Amino acid sequence: AQKVTQAQTEISVVEKEDVTLDCVYETRDTTYYLFWYKQPPSGELVFLIRRNSFDEQNEISGRYSWNFQKSTSSFNFTITASQVVDSAVYFCALRDNTGGFKTIFGAGTRLFVKA
Amino acid sequence: ETGVTQTPRHLVMGMTNKKSLKCEQHLGHNAMYWYKQSAKKPLELMFVYNFKEQTENNSVPSRFSPECPNSSHLFLHLHTLQPEDSALYLCASSPSLAANTGELFFGEGSRLTVL
Repeated sequence: AQKVTQAQTEISVVEKEDVTLDCVYETRDTTYYLFWYKQPPSGELVFLIRRNSFDEQNEISGRYSWNFQKSTSSFNFTITASQVVDSAVYFCALRDNTGGFKTIFGAGTRLFVKA
Repeated sequence: ETGVTQTPRHLVMGMTNKKSLKCEQHLGHNAMYWYKQSAKKPLELMFVYNFKEQTENNSVPSRFSPECPNSSHLFLHLHTLQPEDSALYLCASSPSLAANTGELFFGEGSRLTVL
């Protein structure tokens, strides 16, 4: 069965601190995709990154980096030198071939970055 | 103009009212989705349409009735709702269900309050 767990409900940091958002997933498929989305106060979820199950290379994009580890079924997201504009809810998501390519989301982690 | 537009952004309705939510995407995609986001709950997939055909109904009560007249438009007709249906309803699109990328493009959502 598909499942995405984001154990951190809320995180509060001070600007310029680094912060890591955890994501653990479950799937029986060998081919699957993992995603992170950001939901600012305006409401729409904004796509940040996609990773497929065959590519375990970590990725860095500016202040954002992602650590994908199949051995622990984790896909963690780190924001370096956080800024107030990073305040949002962040969702980890999983899409596999089970049940017609559904995308399943974690419960989200609300990040507060204080000035 | 955003790629996925939802109207209305806010809706208040009584339990006996009939109303509709509208979603329009300008991205040339062929798959469209309705998600429900309630407080303190993960995003719940409600319906999926692929090339105008419904491919997923995630056990949604019949008081929610989707309609997809073409690949660019998606409606959610609401009738005799309950207060627990109050939530943010998010529309999303993607190139198609079978596309390998799988990332979703979201609208800003329609905030529904049922009195």
